[in-house]
Amino acid sequence: KAGVTQTPRYLIKTRGQQVTLSCSPISGHRSVSWYQQTPGQGLQFLFEYFSETQRNKGNFPGRFSGRQFSNSRSEMNVSTLELGDSALYLCASRLEGNRNYGYTFGSGTRLTVV
Amino acid sequence: GIQVEQSPPDLILQEGANSTLRCNFSDSVNNLQWFHQNPWGQLINLFYIPSGTKQNGRLSATTVATERYSLLYISSSQTTDSGVYFCAFEGRRALTFGSGTRLQVQP
Repeated sequence: KAGVTQTPRYLIKTRGQQVTLSCSPISGHRSVSWYQQTPGQGLQFLFEYFSETQRNKGNFPGRFSGRQFSNSRSEMNVSTLELGDSALYLCASRLEGNRNYGYTFGSGTRLTVV
Repeated sequence: GIQVEQSPPDLILQEGANSTLRCNFSDSVNNLQWFHQNPWGQLINLFYIPSGTKQNGRLSATTVATERYSLLYISSSQTTDSGVYFCAFEGRRALTFGSGTRLQVQP
């Protein structure tokens, strides 16, 4: 059974550019969440999607957005990149209605903004 | 909001040693989980443990919800156990993570 797949693994962008990250959840998982990890702020929740609907959003500016497709794959987009957006972005999926198994995370996308 | 405090922040062990990591929370929490982040960045779900005790090989975890803490035990540590251990609780379909315990197991 394939795990959560995130692409790309590494990315270098210039300030002011935009970036799109992709996440494919475990087959059958319809809940997909995104987290940002930085040395200063730790792991912080970005947003959560279920059946193409955003159900919850963390405390991030509007430059951070996401979407989910009918096959449950999700993308997040960051526009007008700032140096502080350099981080490890992690995606997690979960089988809705089965909290006993918790969340499964992908390997992450490491974004560097220069 | 609910605060999550993990201790110790850093831990260095010799291979074969045992250790206990602790997670305290300031109020009642739901769906406590423990994760291990390996040196490549991936977060591995170790335990989903809202209450009680679970064991998986050399690892075990105990959550005492009424006293607002959870413990992760690592026995006979191996170098592959190195990394950062996080506890996290769930609220409104989002995980709130502690700041982590960085574990280094030396051969």
